[in-house]
Amino acid sequence: QVDLQESGPGLVKPSETLSLTCGVSGFSISSGRYWAWIRQPPGKGPEWIGSIYHTAKTSYNPSLKGRVTLSIDTSKNQFSLKLTSVTAADTAVYYCARQTLDGLDFWGQGTLVTVS
Amino acid sequence: EIVLTQSPVTLALSPGERATLSCRASQNVNEYLTWYQQKPGQAPRLLIYDASKRATGIPARFSGSGSGTVFTLTISSLDPEDFAVYYCQHRDNWPAIGFGGGTKVEV
Repeated sequence: QVDLQESGPGLVKPSETLSLTCGVSGFSISSGRYWAWIRQPPGKGPEWIGSIYHTAKTSYNPSLKGRVTLSIDTSKNQFSLKLTSVTAADTAVYYCARQTLDGLDFWGQGTLVTVS
Repeated sequence: EIVLTQSPVTLALSPGERATLSCRASQNVNEYLTWYQQKPGQAPRLLIYDASKRATGIPARFSGSGSGTVFTLTISSLDPEDFAVYYCQHRDNWPAIGFGGGTKVEV
């Protein structure tokens, strides 16, 4: 069983940087697979933020206009998200997940981040 | 950019009834369409991938069909635990992915 757990501040001030980390257990992220961040504003559908491979190759959602940076630390079996210049529109539940061609097969429980 | 449109937005049914959910893509996605189920306060759960393949542990009452731009998720006989929101997802230009707006199946 692959377990993922998001961690980070639940409250971020406007114009500041949102930082989250996803710890992975039950699977070595250096083994492969993409690792993704997804967010879901209250009452809305999910939105893909970006994905990172174990080699640190990244892919980002263009709609976030260069505000996103993903990083990976294989020694700690975790990966991280930074989102700069946040506004109230960035308030959402943020999920990390393991990504395969078949889909997002393992998810964290999600963490609510409020921008205020 | 591919847009996924799900219909209906809300589907009101009773346990034991058949549910038919639609997902339409603005461009051809071949068979690369995934379905998720999400219950309140939980992360989405992978149900169907490649349009018609059930993910590990998914009951046989869930089935998917379609290709190109028109896709359907069918729940043959609704179990009380199936009342939830369902999302479709494409993987055009993977690992970039996109989601539909969701269909809520309610009692």
